[in-house]
Amino acid sequence: NAGVMQNPRHLVRRRGQEARLRCSPMKGHSHVYWYRQLPEEGLKFMVYLQKENIIDESGMPKERFSAEFPKEGPSILRIQQVVRGDSAAYFCASSPTTDYEQYFGPGTRLTVT
Amino acid sequence: GIQVEQSPPDLILQEGANSTLRCNFSDSVNNLQWFHQNPWGQLINLFYIPSGTKQNGRLSATTVATERYSLLYISSSQTTDSGVYFCAVPIIQGAQKLVFGQGTRLTINP
Repeated sequence: NAGVMQNPRHLVRRRGQEARLRCSPMKGHSHVYWYRQLPEEGLKFMVYLQKENIIDESGMPKERFSAEFPKEGPSILRIQQVVRGDSAAYFCASSPTTDYEQYFGPGTRLTVT
Repeated sequence: GIQVEQSPPDLILQEGANSTLRCNFSDSVNNLQWFHQNPWGQLINLFYIPSGTKQNGRLSATTVATERYSLLYISSSQTTDSGVYFCAVPIIQGAQKLVFGQGTRLTINP
């Protein structure tokens, strides 16, 4: 059973460009979470999704950030018009049900130049 | 919201030593996870331990939910144990978003 997969692993964008980060949960997991780790900091919750639904986006910045988890395909975290402060590691996690262990992917390291 | 504090922030040990990392949380929780972030940045699940004690090889963890703390024990440390260790708890009972501590940076010297 493959673990949580994220791609790309590294992403470089210039200021003003768009970044798209993908996450494929573990097989049988329908709950997806995104977390962000700024340099030298702990992880902070961004958004929790189930198939076709955003359940909790209380950690998402109000502008430029959006997330989806379509019926088919991976979950996408989209950052429009990136700025240098968006440079961070973005982790995706998945779980099979609520109130269960979350399994993390390897992360996408976004660098904005 | 719930606060999670880890101690010590940094720990430097020689290979073969034992260590204890602590995680305190400010409110009742119904689950707790420990992670190891290796030097390449990957997050490795270590334990899912709402209460009691679990062991996996040289690592073990104990959570005392009534006293709001968890301990991670590493015995006979190896250089591959280096990295940052995080604990995380859900923000409120049954909620899905995890709150992470600031981590303990462990350095094992050969």
